[in-house]
Amino acid sequence: DAMVIQNPRYQVTQFGKPVTLSCSQTLNHNVMYWYQQKSSQAPKLLFHYYDKDFNNEADTPDNFQSRRPNTSFCFLDIRSPGLGDTAMYLCATSRGTAWRGDYGYTFGSGTRLTVV
Amino acid sequence: GENVEQHPSTLSVQEGDSAVIKCTYSDSASNYFPWYKQELGKRPQLIIDIRSNVGEKKDQRIAVTLNKTAKHFSLHITETQPEDSAVYFCAASSTDSWGKLQFGAGTQVVVTP
Repeated sequence: DAMVIQNPRYQVTQFGKPVTLSCSQTLNHNVMYWYQQKSSQAPKLLFHYYDKDFNNEADTPDNFQSRRPNTSFCFLDIRSPGLGDTAMYLCATSRGTAWRGDYGYTFGSGTRLTVV
Repeated sequence: GENVEQHPSTLSVQEGDSAVIKCTYSDSASNYFPWYKQELGKRPQLIIDIRSNVGEKKDQRIAVTLNKTAKHFSLHITETQPEDSAVYFCAASSTDSWGKLQFGAGTQVVVTP
């Protein structure tokens, strides 16, 4: 059973047209992360939520926003996508530091975003 | 913040030989070191992890070693098979960073029959 589900799997959007990617989890994990992975590169953390607390990475562009309306769902909003935002976007979850140091991540299958 | 360096960037091995990938980290507070395998177009999958209170961990053909003094850890794959071909990422995190993983740049492993 899929435990971290990302939708859609593939998304094509026009330059400058807002797009939203979604992630849901059935693990009841405290922490949800969004990573951007460009071709042949390591995943790069954009931001994460620890419960309702939002934590932005210093170098994440303002163009990227996130929402976590409840424990199960987290959204990535790209307000004005540029060509350089073409990438795989990975959602991951973990129990977080509150759980005896168990930091194991569970990744979703990713959304492959193409900006044209 | 944490910085993780990974070497080599590509690794070609003959089927049956061993493969070794090395990572170094900068933050002495890091205490959790997972390794992920990512096949083309798929999600990263955790293959093994190690915590700072352990020096070595083994799971069948895969082992990880950790040297806290030198701040480096390594992945060892023995008796490699074609299905081991993938990109492997090391990562590190610490209690102080909310369990946030910092990834290495990845190693493309190609196992040739």
